[in-house]
Amino acid sequence: DGGITQSPKYLFRKEGQNVTLSCEQNLNHDAMYWYRQDPGQGLRLIYYSQIVNDFQKGDIAEGYSVSREKKESFPLTVTSAQKNPTAFYLCASSPSAAAYEQYFGPGTRLTVT
Amino acid sequence: AQSVTQLDSHVSVSEGTPVLLRCNYSSSYSPSLFWYVQHPNKGLQLLLKYTSAATLVKGINGFEAEFKKSETSFHLTKPSAHMSDAAEYFCVVSDLGQAGTALIFGKGTTLSVSS
Repeated sequence: DGGITQSPKYLFRKEGQNVTLSCEQNLNHDAMYWYRQDPGQGLRLIYYSQIVNDFQKGDIAEGYSVSREKKESFPLTVTSAQKNPTAFYLCASSPSAAAYEQYFGPGTRLTVT
Repeated sequence: AQSVTQLDSHVSVSEGTPVLLRCNYSSSYSPSLFWYVQHPNKGLQLLLKYTSAATLVKGINGFEAEFKKSETSFHLTKPSAHMSDAAEYFCVVSDLGQAGTALIFGKGTTLSVSS
């Protein structure tokens, strides 16, 4: 059963702690993306990766970090430097960097208090 | 730079009546355009896409959209709303001239369907 898995679905952290969100895909897609969603804001791009061991900053990368050591995995770390981390985080993938259709995971809702 | 504007933040219809969700785009090149749907606390699902083929695009669940270059619009329609259509809808643009970058999302339109 192919798809994108994000875990956990809900995550709670105290302010000042780093937290890592998981994203795994078994679609054999080259490109992967992280978005942040806030009410009334649509989706905003945090980071994206076109191939293994390479990634690029998106529009709102400050306070976040990523790695792409394996094709199927693209974890996102929300650091303590992110001033407003509470949001819904969505991971997506596409077959290649030249493909424009993206497939989304179910999302992780992060709450920081 | 490319951008997309969803003209209504909220649309309310009655079950069985037509749905119209409006989207205008701005793009330097021939764009690819998409509509995605998101149900509460879920990921996004692709409804339909336009990639320079037929201007009238049919998608899943009875939705369709028409690409109108002269009006820079890509409105989403459905002849008869169903209660299960209640969700948030995103119009999305991607320029063919910038492969490898992410999609540009509109701010979303919340569709409410009453019985």
